[in-house]
Amino acid sequence: EAGVTQFPSHSVIEKGQTVTLRCDPISGHDNLYWYRRVMGKEIKFLLHFVKESKQDESGMPNNRFLAERTGGTYSTLKVQPAELEDSGVYFCASSRRTGSSGNTIYFGEGSWLTVV
Amino acid sequence: KQEVTQIPAALSVPEGENLVLNCSFTDSAIYNLQWFRQDPGKGLTSLLLIQSSQREQTSGRLNASLDKSSGRSTLYIAASQPGDSATYLCAVSPYPATDSWGKLQFGAGTQVVVTP
Repeated sequence: EAGVTQFPSHSVIEKGQTVTLRCDPISGHDNLYWYRRVMGKEIKFLLHFVKESKQDESGMPNNRFLAERTGGTYSTLKVQPAELEDSGVYFCASSRRTGSSGNTIYFGEGSWLTVV
Repeated sequence: KQEVTQIPAALSVPEGENLVLNCSFTDSAIYNLQWFRQDPGKGLTSLLLIQSSQREQTSGRLNASLDKSSGRSTLYIAASQPGDSATYLCAVSPYPATDSWGKLQFGAGTQVVVTP
């Protein structure tokens, strides 16, 4: 079974440009999460999809960030326009949705974004 | 507001010694607590998950305890090996957790080096 895959693994863009990060969750996982870790800080929650619906987007930093999950499969996170403080690692995670609180959450290897 | 703290930030031990990693959280109203491992440039791997009603979980050489009332969890790694070198993160899930148990709040992590 394939794990959570993220693309690109690394990206360097100039301030003001647009970047789109993609996440493919594990097949059958309805829950999909985005997290990020900026330099020197803890990993922070960004948002949570249940299938194609945004369950919780309270962690999205501002309106320059747009997440979508059309069809409830893969998800994209677009940053437009990118700012220097957006540099960091963006993690995607997925899990099953069975009503149990004990399900394991699986993380991807992250998309490392550098804005110069 | 929940705050998760991990002490120490870094730890170096000789091979064979036991490792003790600490995690504290300010709000005891948690649904569960997880310990993750992160290798350099890689994603997060879930090690142990402790439900709020549990006191400890064990997996091989790993043992994690949870004292919800005092807001503490400890991860013990017995007979450390060089392959245990990684960053260890703890994360708590909020309560109530209907569909939100994957909204994790992370500590900053403890970077562990086990020397041969």
